[in-house]
Amino acid sequence: GIQVEQSPPDLILQEGANSTLRCNFSDSVNNLQWFHQNPWGQLINLFYIPSGTKQNGRLSATTVATERYSLLYISSSQTTDSGVYFCAVTYSGGGADGLTFGKGTHLIIQP
Amino acid sequence: DTAVSQTPKYLVTQMGNDKSIKCEQNLGHDTMYWYKQDSKKFLKIMFSYNNKELIINETVPNRFSPKSPDKAHLNLHINSLELGDSAVYFCASSQTGGYGYTFGSGTRLTVV
Repeated sequence: GIQVEQSPPDLILQEGANSTLRCNFSDSVNNLQWFHQNPWGQLINLFYIPSGTKQNGRLSATTVATERYSLLYISSSQTTDSGVYFCAVTYSGGGADGLTFGKGTHLIIQP
Repeated sequence: DTAVSQTPKYLVTQMGNDKSIKCEQNLGHDTMYWYKQDSKKFLKIMFSYNNKELIINETVPNRFSPKSPDKAHLNLHINSLELGDSAVYFCASSQTGGYGYTFGSGTRLTVV
């Protein structure tokens, strides 16, 4: 099956800092999504981004499908950005639209 | 209105018991899923299901079975619970193609 690797595994920043999270994948994908799992455990869909660039407020994402990676940018971090950020993909040979997840980046924003 | 709701939120049960977790979505999505999140936060697909096709992750024990009475519901039945089944189970739904993926709030299952 496909491999999804995220880096860094852990990141601690001060409020107001910017960050870049990376997701590498080992094969062609049908789609790629970013999720945020907040400290209460809720999984929130941030971006559906199989290719190109999207922005939503302080967050933006870029996927370069030909080079098999995606980046999630968080600008002007707030404490509410803390949690785990997951990259997830679907691919030909996978099960329908079932997602294969990376292990996540655990982000802590300190006040 | 909660888009994807699952019950119960917490479930503590003894080894060997049989239990069910219910899931309902009001988004009109075509496909529903069950995921398992282990103690290291790793998320893994268990099942994906639409009205045409059930796809089972081959690593899932046959003690786990999804049951869908209709397009808006996908329940998870677990027989003969084992200690290793302790985890958080998430229900999710999406449109065909994976657009609009929405997760429920999770069910924390503890087997003692």
